[in-house]
Amino acid sequence: AQTVTQSQPEMSVQEAETVTLSCTYDTSENNYYLFWYKQPPSRQMILVIRQEAYKQQNATENRFSVNFQKAAKSFSLKISDSQLGDTAMYFCAFMRVGSARQLTFGSGTQLTVLP
Amino acid sequence: ETGVTQTPRHLVMGMTNKKSLKCEQHLGHNAMYWYKQSAKKPLELMFVYNFKEQTENNSVPSRFSPECPNSSHLFLHLHTLQPEDSALYLCASSQDGGASGELFFGEGSRLTVL
Repeated sequence: AQTVTQSQPEMSVQEAETVTLSCTYDTSENNYYLFWYKQPPSRQMILVIRQEAYKQQNATENRFSVNFQKAAKSFSLKISDSQLGDTAMYFCAFMRVGSARQLTFGSGTQLTVLP
Repeated sequence: ETGVTQTPRHLVMGMTNKKSLKCEQHLGHNAMYWYKQSAKKPLELMFVYNFKEQTENNSVPSRFSPECPNSSHLFLHLHTLQPEDSALYLCASSQDGGASGELFFGEGSRLTVL
């Protein structure tokens, strides 16, 4: 079974600064996907970024980028130039390739961007 | 219409009540999901439907009864719940049976069991 661990229940960052959210996972699989989902207050959870394990290059989406360390089973999310709208709960998630529909989520990190 | 709509947004019920949560997706997706979100815990997958057929049931107690009449609608029927069932219940949908891992979520139904 896979497990996903987010060791930072809460974090805060000043507007316009950079913050990194941590995620580690445990799996014996070699082919898998990793995700960061964002859940703003009272709003829908949305996909922020996705990483295929077979790709060495770290995924980026505008101000969001990941640091994927496959050997260390680490998958951190970096948010650059933080904005007030980035305030949300962030969930790291894992999915084994071929096990469609079986996402394993971490417990989440509540990020607050301070003005 | 937003992509995935859940009603009601808030529900308070006694342990002997029977109620239902509704989910509707307007995205043309073929898979739908129920997740339970409790504070400080990972999201728990409850049920998965693919083309109206239930494909996953993660050992959910029988007091939760899902129904998927078509690919666009999903219900969660609730009866004789316990206070520990109080949580945010999230509905989600996906294309291609979820192979990409991208789920589209509703805003959730906040359930309080007294």
